[in-house]
Amino acid sequence: GDSVTQMEGPVTLSEEAFLTINCTYTATGYPSLFWYVQYPGEGLQLLLKATKADDKGSNKGFEATYRKETTSFHLEKGSVQVSDSAVYFCALKGTTYTGANSKLTFGKGITLSVRP
Amino acid sequence: SAVISQKPSRDICQRGTSLTIQCQVDSQVTMMFWYRQQPGQSLTLIATANQGSEATYESGFVIDKFPISRPNLTFSTLTVSNMSPEDSSIYLCSVADSLTGGYTFGSGTRLTVV
Repeated sequence: GDSVTQMEGPVTLSEEAFLTINCTYTATGYPSLFWYVQYPGEGLQLLLKATKADDKGSNKGFEATYRKETTSFHLEKGSVQVSDSAVYFCALKGTTYTGANSKLTFGKGITLSVRP
Repeated sequence: SAVISQKPSRDICQRGTSLTIQCQVDSQVTMMFWYRQQPGQSLTLIATANQGSEATYESGFVIDKFPISRPNLTFSTLTVSNMSPEDSSIYLCSVADSLTGGYTFGSGTRLTVV
């Protein structure tokens, strides 16, 4: 079945540092890939997405490129801020859009803490 | 994108009791999804709810424990029945968002069973 693997956390960075959060996936066909963010005490918010190979999703300074050859969707940001402190989830949606197969499969999530 | 109102936001319940969680969407949606997020863990899909038919449950989840209602295209409830401390989790509902191509989530219900 589909699966998503995220790097182990937590991650602690200083403000303005470069961020990379690794995500790899296993799925048949061409899934859609997502990054979700969960700020403290809040629900999940869609951060960015990519629906086909070589697509780059971007939002709020974050970027991720859909790499079919390495089955990866790593999240990057050039200069993190304290306000980026949150839990980040990588997820995929399989290619069969019927019933329960429309579900998202999530990675374990990683906690990012950015210190001033 | 769709806006989901989920309630209650949190509750503390006695073991053996049941809690019903409600999700109201501001637009009509075909499918609604219910997830569980156990402490420090990722999200796991409990079931998919279509209007007018029985919910489809994922492996490890059963209707007797997590009955779901879907009376119309904007509303759904999830009940956590006969609760035990192991049911302490965050429960979230979600809908597919045609505008973003992603999924929108409710703010979650943080359940503690004592």
